[in-house]
Amino acid sequence: GDSVTQMEGPVTLSEEACLTINCTYTATGYPSLFWYVQYPGEGLQLLLKATKADDKGSNKGFEATYRKETTSFHLEKGSVQVSDSAVYFCALSDRGYNKLIFGAGTRLAVHP
Amino acid sequence: DAEITQSPRHKITETGRQVTLACHQTWNHNNMFWYRQDLGHGLRLIHYSYGVQDTNKGEVSDGYSVSRSNTEDLPLTLESAASSQTSVYFCASSDRDTRTDTQYFGPGTRLTVL
Repeated sequence: GDSVTQMEGPVTLSEEACLTINCTYTATGYPSLFWYVQYPGEGLQLLLKATKADDKGSNKGFEATYRKETTSFHLEKGSVQVSDSAVYFCALSDRGYNKLIFGAGTRLAVHP
Repeated sequence: DAEITQSPRHKITETGRQVTLACHQTWNHNNMFWYRQDLGHGLRLIHYSYGVQDTNKGEVSDGYSVSRSNTEDLPLTLESAASSQTSVYFCASSDRDTRTDTQYFGPGTRLTVL
């Protein structure tokens, strides 16, 4: 079945460091891909999404490019802030499923 | 502003008791979902609904039930709570096409079964 694999955390960075969180997927058909973020004590909220190959999603300085050839959707940010500390979830939604499949999540901690 | 709310936010119950978690959304979305979040597992789908009177089982539905009598609400019932159901539960909603439309999540309910 369809699945999402994320790099294990926690990821610990200093403020202004570069961030990459790896995400790869297995799916039949042509999934849409999402990154959700969960701040402490809150529910998940959409960070960015891409609905077809080569699309780039971006928001709040984060970017991810839908790479069909490598089945990947890695999350990147050039300069992280303490306020980016959260858990990040990669997810896919495939045609016909009409629901999301999530990765296990990656915790990011950014220190001053 | 439209929103999705869950109640209670925290619940402690005993093994064997029936528990109902409420989810209410004012987005007028057709699709509603219940997930549980456990360390190392991400979010796993329990039940979902594509509209009034429609319900479907997710990957971890055993021991849970839902009903959809109106657009706004999808209560989740644990028929006989077990310690393995201690978790954080999230409700979400989306418009018709989940492939492209955002799912909006509630703040979560932390359930402890003793």
